[in-house]
Amino acid sequence: DAGVTQSPTHLIKTRGQHVTLRCSPISGHKSVSWYQQVLGQGPQFIFQYYEKEERGRGNFPDRFSARQFPNYSSELNVNALLLGDSALYLCASSFGGSENTIYFGEGSWLTVV
Amino acid sequence: EDQVTQSPEALRLQEGESSSLNCSYTVSGLRGLFWYRQDPGKGPEFLFTLYSAGEEKEKERLKATLTKKESFLHITAPKPEDSATYLCAGGNAGGTSYGKLTFGQGTILTVHP
Repeated sequence: DAGVTQSPTHLIKTRGQHVTLRCSPISGHKSVSWYQQVLGQGPQFIFQYYEKEERGRGNFPDRFSARQFPNYSSELNVNALLLGDSALYLCASSFGGSENTIYFGEGSWLTVV
Repeated sequence: EDQVTQSPEALRLQEGESSSLNCSYTVSGLRGLFWYRQDPGKGPEFLFTLYSAGEEKEKERLKATLTKKESFLHITAPKPEDSATYLCAGGNAGGTSYGKLTFGQGTILTVHP
Protein backbone atom coordinates (compact mmCIF):
# COMPACT_ATOMS: atom_id res chain seq x y z
CA ASP A 1 0.00 0.00 0.00
CA ALA A 2 1.19 3.50 -0.79
CA GLY A 3 2.15 5.68 2.12
CA VAL A 4 1.56 9.40 2.42
CA THR A 5 2.62 10.99 -0.87
CA GLN A 6 3.64 14.60 -1.30
CA SER A 7 4.45 16.74 -4.31
CA PRO A 8 6.58 18.37 -5.41
CA THR A 9 9.59 16.95 -3.55
CA HIS A 10 11.77 20.00 -4.12
CA LEU A 11 11.05 23.51 -5.34
CA ILE A 12 12.66 26.92 -5.45
CA LYS A 13 10.60 30.10 -5.31
CA THR A 14 11.35 33.81 -5.24
CA ARG A 15 10.35 36.10 -2.40
CA GLY A 16 6.80 37.38 -2.83
CA GLN A 17 5.67 34.43 -4.92
CA HIS A 18 2.99 31.91 -4.03
CA VAL A 19 3.40 28.15 -3.59
CA THR A 20 0.98 25.20 -3.49
CA LEU A 21 2.03 21.90 -1.93
CA ARG A 22 -0.01 18.74 -2.33
CA CYS A 23 -0.59 15.68 -0.19
CA SER A 24 -2.37 12.37 -0.70
CA PRO A 25 -3.06 10.52 2.56
CA ILE A 26 -2.89 6.77 3.08
CA SER A 27 -5.98 5.09 1.65
CA GLY A 28 -8.80 5.20 4.18
CA HIS A 29 -7.26 7.98 6.25
CA LYS A 30 -9.56 10.95 6.81
CA SER A 31 -7.29 13.24 8.83
CA VAL A 32 -4.48 15.26 7.24
CA SER A 33 -2.11 17.57 9.06
CA TRP A 34 0.63 19.90 7.85
CA TYR A 35 3.91 20.66 9.60
CA GLN A 36 6.87 22.94 8.90
CA GLN A 37 10.34 21.71 9.79
CA VAL A 38 13.21 24.16 9.75
CA LEU A 39 16.70 22.67 9.60
CA GLY A 40 17.85 21.47 13.01
CA GLN A 41 14.43 21.74 14.66
CA GLY A 42 11.45 19.50 15.24
CA PRO A 43 8.36 19.82 13.04
CA GLN A 44 5.93 22.61 13.94
CA PHE A 45 2.17 22.17 13.55
CA ILE A 46 0.47 24.33 10.90
CA PHE A 47 -2.99 22.87 10.20
CA GLN A 48 -5.14 19.82 10.77
CA TYR A 49 -8.10 18.78 8.63
CA TYR A 50 -10.55 16.00 9.42
CA GLU A 51 -13.47 15.10 7.20
CA LYS A 52 -12.74 18.19 5.10
CA GLU A 53 -13.07 20.60 7.99
CA GLU A 54 -10.30 22.56 9.68
CA ARG A 55 -9.87 21.14 13.18
CA GLY A 56 -6.73 22.93 14.31
CA ARG A 57 -4.44 25.76 13.38
CA GLY A 58 -0.94 26.48 14.65
CA ASN A 59 0.73 29.83 15.22
CA PHE A 60 1.32 30.74 11.59
CA PRO A 61 0.36 33.95 9.74
CA ASP A 62 -2.66 34.21 7.47
CA ARG A 63 -0.34 33.83 4.47
CA PHE A 64 -0.65 30.12 5.17
CA SER A 65 -3.88 28.39 4.19
CA ALA A 66 -4.98 24.86 3.43
CA ARG A 67 -7.93 22.82 2.35
CA GLN A 68 -8.99 19.18 2.15
CA PHE A 69 -10.82 17.76 -0.83
CA PRO A 70 -13.66 15.17 -0.98
CA ASN A 71 -11.11 12.41 -1.67
CA TYR A 72 -9.26 13.52 1.54
CA SER A 73 -6.21 14.82 -0.33
CA SER A 74 -5.02 18.22 0.78
CA GLU A 75 -3.26 21.36 -0.38
CA LEU A 76 -1.14 23.80 1.59
CA ASN A 77 -0.88 27.29 0.12
CA VAL A 78 1.61 29.95 1.14
CA ASN A 79 1.31 33.48 -0.21
CA ALA A 80 3.85 36.31 -0.31
CA LEU A 81 6.77 34.00 0.39
CA LEU A 82 9.51 35.15 2.74
CA LEU A 83 13.07 33.85 3.03
CA GLY A 84 12.09 32.44 6.43
CA ASP A 85 9.51 30.17 4.82
CA SER A 86 12.36 28.00 3.50
CA ALA A 87 11.82 24.63 5.17
CA LEU A 88 10.71 21.03 4.80
CA TYR A 89 6.91 20.90 4.69
CA LEU A 90 5.52 17.62 5.99
CA CYS A 91 2.10 16.13 5.53
CA ALA A 92 0.79 13.55 7.99
CA SER A 93 -2.28 11.35 7.84
CA SER A 94 -4.25 9.19 10.22
CA PHE A 95 -7.64 7.49 10.35
CA GLY A 96 -8.83 9.99 12.90
CA GLY A 97 -11.34 9.27 15.63
CA SER A 98 -9.92 6.81 18.15
CA GLU A 99 -7.15 5.64 15.81
CA ASN A 100 -4.15 7.79 16.46
CA THR A 101 -1.16 6.37 14.63
CA ILE A 102 0.05 9.31 12.57
CA TYR A 103 2.15 8.66 9.48
CA PHE A 104 4.28 11.23 7.69
CA GLY A 105 5.20 11.68 4.07
CA GLU A 106 8.73 12.41 2.85
CA GLY A 107 8.01 16.11 2.64
CA SER A 108 8.39 18.96 0.18
CA TRP A 109 11.60 20.94 0.38
CA LEU A 110 10.89 24.63 -0.25
CA THR A 111 13.71 27.08 -0.83
CA VAL A 112 12.85 30.78 -1.07
CA VAL A 113 15.49 32.97 -2.68
CA GLU B 1 1.81 26.63 26.25
CA ASP B 2 2.53 23.05 25.25
CA GLN B 3 6.21 22.18 25.40
CA VAL B 4 8.36 19.13 24.67
CA THR B 5 12.08 19.09 25.49
CA GLN B 6 14.50 16.37 24.44
CA SER B 7 17.94 15.61 25.83
CA PRO B 8 20.69 15.23 24.99
CA GLU B 9 20.74 17.22 21.74
CA ALA B 10 23.31 14.81 20.33
CA LEU B 11 24.57 11.43 21.47
CA ARG B 12 27.53 9.47 20.18
CA LEU B 13 27.72 5.77 21.03
CA GLN B 14 29.96 2.89 20.17
CA GLU B 15 28.27 -0.10 18.60
CA GLY B 16 26.85 -2.22 21.40
CA GLU B 17 26.90 0.61 23.97
CA SER B 18 23.38 0.90 25.39
CA SER B 19 21.91 4.28 26.40
CA SER B 20 18.70 6.26 26.84
CA LEU B 21 17.16 9.37 25.29
CA ASN B 22 14.96 11.63 27.40
CA CYS B 23 11.76 13.50 26.52
CA SER B 24 10.16 15.86 29.04
CA TYR B 25 6.70 17.12 28.20
CA THR B 26 4.07 19.61 29.27
CA VAL B 27 1.12 19.10 26.94
CA SER B 28 -2.41 20.03 27.94
CA GLY B 29 -4.91 17.26 27.41
CA LEU B 30 -2.18 14.79 26.42
CA ARG B 31 -3.73 11.82 24.64
CA GLY B 32 -0.55 10.11 23.47
CA LEU B 33 3.25 10.40 23.51
CA PHE B 34 4.79 9.64 20.13
CA TRP B 35 8.30 8.62 19.11
CA TYR B 36 9.58 8.94 15.56
CA ARG B 37 12.85 8.24 13.79
CA GLN B 38 13.99 10.66 11.08
CA ASP B 39 16.80 10.00 8.62
CA PRO B 40 18.47 12.95 6.85
CA GLY B 41 16.28 14.39 4.11
CA LYS B 42 13.36 12.08 4.94
CA GLY B 43 10.06 12.37 6.72
CA PRO B 44 9.63 11.05 10.28
CA GLU B 45 9.07 7.29 10.57
CA PHE B 46 6.57 6.19 13.23
CA LEU B 47 7.99 4.09 16.07
CA PHE B 48 5.66 4.09 19.11
CA THR B 49 2.66 5.69 20.77
CA LEU B 50 2.38 5.51 24.57
CA TYR B 51 -0.88 6.40 26.29
CA SER B 52 -0.52 6.12 30.04
CA ALA B 53 2.15 6.31 32.73
CA GLY B 54 3.83 2.96 33.24
CA GLU B 55 3.27 1.80 29.69
CA GLU B 56 6.20 0.28 27.78
CA LYS B 57 6.57 -0.70 24.12
CA GLU B 58 9.41 -2.46 22.34
CA LYS B 59 10.60 -2.78 18.77
CA GLU B 60 13.84 -4.58 18.00
CA ARG B 61 16.58 -2.75 19.98
CA LEU B 62 14.28 0.08 21.07
CA LYS B 63 12.08 0.32 24.14
CA ALA B 64 9.95 3.33 25.01
CA THR B 65 8.63 4.04 28.49
CA LEU B 66 6.32 6.73 29.87
CA THR B 67 5.89 8.51 33.20
CA LYS B 68 3.59 11.42 34.02
CA LYS B 69 6.24 13.95 33.03
CA GLU B 70 8.80 12.13 30.91
CA SER B 71 9.34 9.47 28.31
CA PHE B 72 12.51 7.52 27.69
CA LEU B 73 13.71 5.75 24.57
CA HIS B 74 16.12 3.03 25.58
CA ILE B 75 18.48 1.69 22.92
CA THR B 76 20.01 -1.69 23.68
CA ALA B 77 23.21 -2.78 21.91
CA PRO B 78 22.82 -0.21 19.10
CA LYS B 79 24.14 -0.75 15.60
CA PRO B 80 25.38 1.86 13.11
CA GLU B 81 22.06 1.61 11.23
CA ASP B 82 20.32 3.01 14.32
CA SER B 83 22.00 6.36 13.62
CA ALA B 84 19.26 8.94 13.02
CA THR B 85 17.44 11.80 14.68
CA TYR B 86 14.86 10.61 17.20
CA LEU B 87 11.86 12.86 17.69
CA CYS B 88 9.43 12.86 20.59
CA ALA B 89 5.99 14.48 20.31
CA GLY B 90 2.99 15.02 22.54
CA GLY B 91 -0.38 14.56 20.89
CA ASN B 92 -3.67 16.02 22.01
CA ALA B 93 -7.06 15.56 20.55
CA GLY B 94 -7.83 18.11 17.88
CA GLY B 95 -11.52 17.78 17.40
CA THR B 96 -12.08 14.08 16.97
CA SER B 97 -8.55 13.07 16.02
CA TYR B 98 -4.97 13.32 17.09
CA GLY B 99 -3.65 15.46 14.31
CA LYS B 100 -1.83 18.04 16.41
CA LEU B 101 1.59 16.95 17.62
CA THR B 102 3.94 19.15 19.62
CA PHE B 103 7.50 18.04 18.83
CA GLY B 104 10.76 18.34 20.69
CA GLN B 105 13.86 19.44 18.81
CA GLY B 106 15.13 15.88 18.48
CA THR B 107 18.18 13.92 19.59
CA ILE B 108 20.79 13.19 16.93
CA LEU B 109 22.11 9.69 17.57
CA THR B 110 25.36 8.55 15.98
CA VAL B 111 26.50 4.97 16.48
CA HIS B 112 30.11 4.24 15.54
CA PRO B 113 31.20 0.74 14.46
